[in-house]
Amino acid sequence: DAGITQSPRHKVTETGTPVTLRCHQTENHRYMYWYRQDPGHGLRLIHYSYGVKDTDKGEVSDGYSVSRSKTEDFLLTLESATSSQTSVYFCAISGGTGQTEAFFGQGTRLTVV
Amino acid sequence: SQQGEEDPQALSIQEGENATMNCSYKTSINNLQWYRQNSGRGLVHLILIRSNEREKHSGRLRVTLDTSKKSSSLLITASRAADTASYFCATSFNNAGNMLTFGGGTRLMVKP
Repeated sequence: DAGITQSPRHKVTETGTPVTLRCHQTENHRYMYWYRQDPGHGLRLIHYSYGVKDTDKGEVSDGYSVSRSKTEDFLLTLESATSSQTSVYFCAISGGTGQTEAFFGQGTRLTVV
Repeated sequence: SQQGEEDPQALSIQEGENATMNCSYKTSINNLQWYRQNSGRGLVHLILIRSNEREKHSGRLRVTLDTSKKSSSLLITASRAADTASYFCATSFNNAGNMLTFGGGTRLMVKP
């Protein structure tokens, strides 16, 4: 696996609480992404980053925020967790522009009760 | 909304048979990629085909791309039980974020 670490790997939290997921890479790749995976929906992009402090929204960004203060770290925050945010979250990285592959972390399974 | 749609959603075959999965997409693309996901794991890149390519091979994998029909196919030859996984196509188009848009995936089961 490429040098991507997601933490935590599993988390159970209560509705209304803030949650932060961390993605750490050791590849010095420029692009970082947060996806969520739900049955029947494949992977959907939440937010992405194309450099330190450069982030933008993806397809399903409502209720999520991100920060990237260092090249190696990309944080995903659920501002006030809801049951609809129960999902498996994947971080991915990509090195170049245009025609390069993405490398994925192992995922974080989040349950909001 | 998903850019890519895989077909079939699920496929069950015997070991040694070939498996074909199809992907259709909606807009012009820069490249199309196929990924594999074993249960409970992250996605792993299999192969990338550029928009100006029509066919590409990698080991037992063969990918075709028809940009006029906005479709791609992934063929796994001589399948093995270890090929059991979900397979996703992902499309990339010229954009600042180098983003990939994924389809819903095909669940492949290879029976020994």
